[in-house]
Amino acid sequence: EVQLVESGGGLVQPGGSLRLSCAASGFTFSDHYMDWVRQAPGKGLEWVGRTRNKANSYTTEYAASVKGRFTISRDDSKNSLYLQMNSLKTEDTAVYYCARVGGTTVTTHWGQGTLVTVSS
Amino acid sequence: QSALTQEASVSGTVGQKVTLSCTGNSNNIGSYAVGWYQQISHGAPKTVMFGNSLPSGIPDRFSGSKSGTTASLTISGLQPEDEADYYCSTWDYSLSAVVFGGGTKLTVL
Repeated sequence: EVQLVESGGGLVQPGGSLRLSCAASGFTFSDHYMDWVRQAPGKGLEWVGRTRNKANSYTTEYAASVKGRFTISRDDSKNSLYLQMNSLKTEDTAVYYCARVGGTTVTTHWGQGTLVTVSS
Repeated sequence: QSALTQEASVSGTVGQKVTLSCTGNSNNIGSYAVGWYQQISHGAPKTVMFGNSLPSGIPDRFSGSKSGTTASLTISGLQPEDEADYYCSTWDYSLSAVVFGGGTKLTVL
């Protein structure tokens, strides 16, 4: 069974940093692209970014709203995905989801999410 | 404003067939498979369709289709537990980004 478990959320001040982690199990993590998706309170889903697999050189893509501030990385030996968030803004407040991308480049599985609150 | 356009709300009665739509352009829906996600009471999303494939555990009353730059999710035989927010998404090669629709709130009357 595919499982994705996020951790690392919490309260941080504007301008601060936070690192989220996602522990994956139940599938061959190294084969898959992985995404981060977020949802601000009362809003819809917003894509944050993607890391491709080793076969595609671990290249990354980011939403314009986070480019230059957020960095996605992965450790295939630990079946883990990370999101380093710097220069956080109040508008980054959201539940952050880790998501597995399938062969059709569409999300097939989601984690339960971790809440990040940016507030002074 | 979302890159993909979905109805803000759709409603139907138990047993009815409803169709949700997701409209994009040639850079996204016209070129890539579309995913559909169900979110109940702002819990974690669940994938109910990816491309034309039904994920394991999803009832076969859910089906997906695409014509040109519009994708559709059809629920045949609507059930009370289908009441949720539904989102579509796909890759956009001109943006080099995943794009989402704004979501459709499905109400089961």
